[in-house]
Amino acid sequence: DIQMTQSPSSLSASVGDRVTITCQASQDISNYLNWYQQKPGKAPILLIYDASNLQTGVPSRFSGSGSGTDFTFTISSLQPEDTATYYCQQHDNLFTFGPGTKVDIK
Amino acid sequence: EVQLLESGGGLVQPGGSLRLSCVVSGFTFSSYAMNWVRQAPGKGLEWVSTISGIGSSTYYADSVKGRFTISRDNSKNTVYLQMNSLRAEDTALYYCAKGRLSFGASDAFDIWGQGTVVTVSS
Repeated sequence: DIQMTQSPSSLSASVGDRVTITCQASQDISNYLNWYQQKPGKAPILLIYDASNLQTGVPSRFSGSGSGTDFTFTISSLQPEDTATYYCQQHDNLFTFGPGTKVDIK
Repeated sequence: EVQLLESGGGLVQPGGSLRLSCVVSGFTFSSYAMNWVRQAPGKGLEWVSTISGIGSSTYYADSVKGRFTISRDNSKNTVYLQMNSLRAEDTALYYCAKGRLSFGASDAFDIWGQGTVVTVSS
């Protein structure tokens, strides 16, 4: 089974800050890595697929990069509406979600 | 507009069974894989199961293999999750989610329902 880790588990940043979350896979997953946003009480939303592809309709301040085992998710300029938990997900071998990173506004 | 509507959740005793349904609209249902993902209270997301567009291939997380069965009826635009031998640790909000790619393996989940709550308790 492929295990996913994320860091940090939570972070607090100011509006306008650049925010970076990392995700690591327990083995090489090429670029088969997605990122989701989940706001409290809501269903998740797909933001990035295949490591770096922005899903249709998602603001361009969100981006992703990486391949192999190490991946990065970035919010270039944090907005109040970005308060949420962010999950990475591998789809190289079935599916595994990371434990999530909770982002809030300082 | 694409919509997914789950139903069938509820309170069930340990060892019991429940069948979840997810009715979809707004896209060509048979062209897309469908998935179930769950979220225990206060916890993260856990993938549960996936079924291909025509229903010929199914996949399960180890935690539910042998107890849960995914199926679909493309004439009714509905995907199901039959859950047997339920345990307390199956307590969660169960989401139905659409696969992103048509006619391909499910790679990402691009549309989600609002979920249905399953509680396993005596």
